[in-house]
Amino acid sequence: SQQGEEDPQALSIQEGENATMNCSYKTSINNLQWYRQNSGRGLVHLILIRSNEREKHSGRLRVTLDTSKKSSSLLITASRAADTASYFCATDEGGNQFYFGTGTSLTVIP
Amino acid sequence: DAGVIQSPRHEVTEMGQEVTLRCKPISGHDYLFWYRQTMMRGLELLIYFNNNVPIDDSGMPEDRFSAKMPNASFSTLKIQPSEPRDSAVYFCASSPGTGSLGYEQYFGPGTRLTVT
Repeated sequence: SQQGEEDPQALSIQEGENATMNCSYKTSINNLQWYRQNSGRGLVHLILIRSNEREKHSGRLRVTLDTSKKSSSLLITASRAADTASYFCATDEGGNQFYFGTGTSLTVIP
Repeated sequence: DAGVIQSPRHEVTEMGQEVTLRCKPISGHDYLFWYRQTMMRGLELLIYFNNNVPIDDSGMPEDRFSAKMPNASFSTLKIQPSEPRDSAVYFCASSPGTGSLGYEQYFGPGTRLTVT
């Protein structure tokens, strides 16, 4: 079953702009992860944020988590053409596996 | 480490044929996951193993699907008989620990299955 839903489904921006994508989920979680998938490839882990954290940074990535609203956002600053990919959030439900959202397809135009 | 290895990368088969997908997880990872990805349904968890034991197979769509993990370094996903609606990209992923503890999953490159 899918736990998370990303919004928007697709996003197109110019190189150098910031990209923001959102994830909503349904049940309580211990942590939330974001993954990237380049076309024709497997998913790659980007960043994890725990339920007791509100914000986390990694390079050009900034993730926020609002457990009261059951939502998270991923911000990519100063986007590059190489950031073109699909981005997925993944949440646990206190279990051993993750449930992946529907993904946001990001296109960065050079 | 070479990462998660999947074979074949592409498989084209006719309806009714048996298909076997293979996965070699990262050494030392105790968890192995099989996913299916389609445009319509997104990324679906089919089954996962812990220490070679199947823990949750509730995502396996039908009895036509079966998965085994005979040892820590090898797993198979078998579809018999295959149907056109099984066409998808199948991913294998491994992880050193549980999702609830925040361990990330490492994905293989996937097997693109086409059933005609």
